[in-house]
This record gives sequence, C-alpha cells and structure tokens, in this order.
Amino acid sequence: DTAVSQTPKYLVTQMGNDKSIKCEQNLGHDTMYWYKQDSKKFLKIMFSYNNKELIINETVPNRFSPKSPDKAHLNLHINSLELGDSAVYFCASTFAVTGHHGYTFGSGTRLTVV
Amino acid sequence: AQRVTQPEKLLSVFKGAPVELKCNYSYSGSPELFWYVQYSRQRLQLLLRHISRESIKGFTADLNKGETSFHLKKPFAQEEDSAMYYCALRNAGGTSYGKLTFGQGTILTVHP
Repeated sequence: DTAVSQTPKYLVTQMGNDKSIKCEQNLGHDTMYWYKQDSKKFLKIMFSYNNKELIINETVPNRFSPKSPDKAHLNLHINSLELGDSAVYFCASTFAVTGHHGYTFGSGTRLTVV
Repeated sequence: AQRVTQPEKLLSVFKGAPVELKCNYSYSGSPELFWYVQYSRQRLQLLLRHISRESIKGFTADLNKGETSFHLKKPFAQEEDSAMYYCALRNAGGTSYGKLTFGQGTILTVHP
C-alpha cells in the first residue's frame, strides 16, 4: 500500500496548456508539501498545507495554484505551462508536531513541457 | 535564513573504502537535521535523522553544533550505496514552520 501516491507519474504537455498533478497520503498526516526538483536535481519547497490551510508559499508564480480538499489530498494546478516548468514534482507529508521524525515523499511526477 | 550546504556535487569511492558526505548548515534556532537518499529515478527515502542517533544501512551521522555540520559516514562503502544523497534541515519555528531546506545533493558512486 503506497503511503504517498502521486498521479500521473509522467506528464508531457505543450507550452500554454493547463495541467494538474494529484497527491494523496494514507498515513493520517496533517501536513503536506509540494517540492520541485529541477534539472540540476536541486530540491526546493513550493507550498505547504496543514489541515487544508496554506502555511508556506515560497514565491512561486501565481500560475501555480495548490488545492487541498482535505488533509489527505494536496493537488497542484499549473496554468499556462512554460518550458521552465519542466521538472520533477514531489509531494511529501508529515505530522506537524512530530516532523522531526521525518517526512514521507511520493515517487514524483516528471513534467515535461515541449 | 536557513541554509544547507553540501560542498561535493560528486563523490566516487571504491567498494570497501570509507565514505564521508559533507553537510554544513546555517540556522539560528536548534537544528533538526536529516539525510535523505534518492536511488536512480525513485522517491526520496529517509535515511537518518539526527534525533535518533541511529545507524541505517551502515551509515551514521553526528550533529556537531560547534562546526554546524552533520556529515554522513560509512566505514565500508557498497556498490548498492550509489545514489544521490541530500542533507536537509527542518525549520522548527516561525512563519516557515515545518519547511525542509535541502542541500544541493551529493551523487555518490561506488565502483567495484
């Protein structure tokens, strides 16, 4: 049973399109994150939600809009995709209070914008 | 602002040799540090967390507050250790509570 699952695993789309990536966790965690891994493998936080409330928004273009319908789901919608959006997007989750025990990551969504 | 630095982008060793992956951090509060490993095209997996002082797959890491370091060590490297290793610092307070800041990553290659 996958703890943090992301769909799709791969996404190839044209510039200007709008796409969504979904993330679900079955660990009962209350906090979820989106991270972007760029072509140089650098990982940077994008957003964090705690109990459906946005708590971290790291200067991400407003073409990116996260949505958390409940604490087990965090989706990422991207409008007007650009070439520079090509990356691997990782979802992660944890308990806010015991986050020092670690975070669980999904397997990533490889987005390619052509 | 918190920062994590992994000075080596690439590290190559031979099987059976000791390996040390360096990590230095900058953080004004009490640090919470982790090592994550990413095998080829897979998810990040938690390898170590400093609070538990454990040894996983033969790896250990000690937090040195004086040197602001959290280096990852293994006395005898194995070929299956070849992967990307990330050091990460968790923000335990303030407006970015819970944020994990990652270092640039170190690609470890263990040759037979």
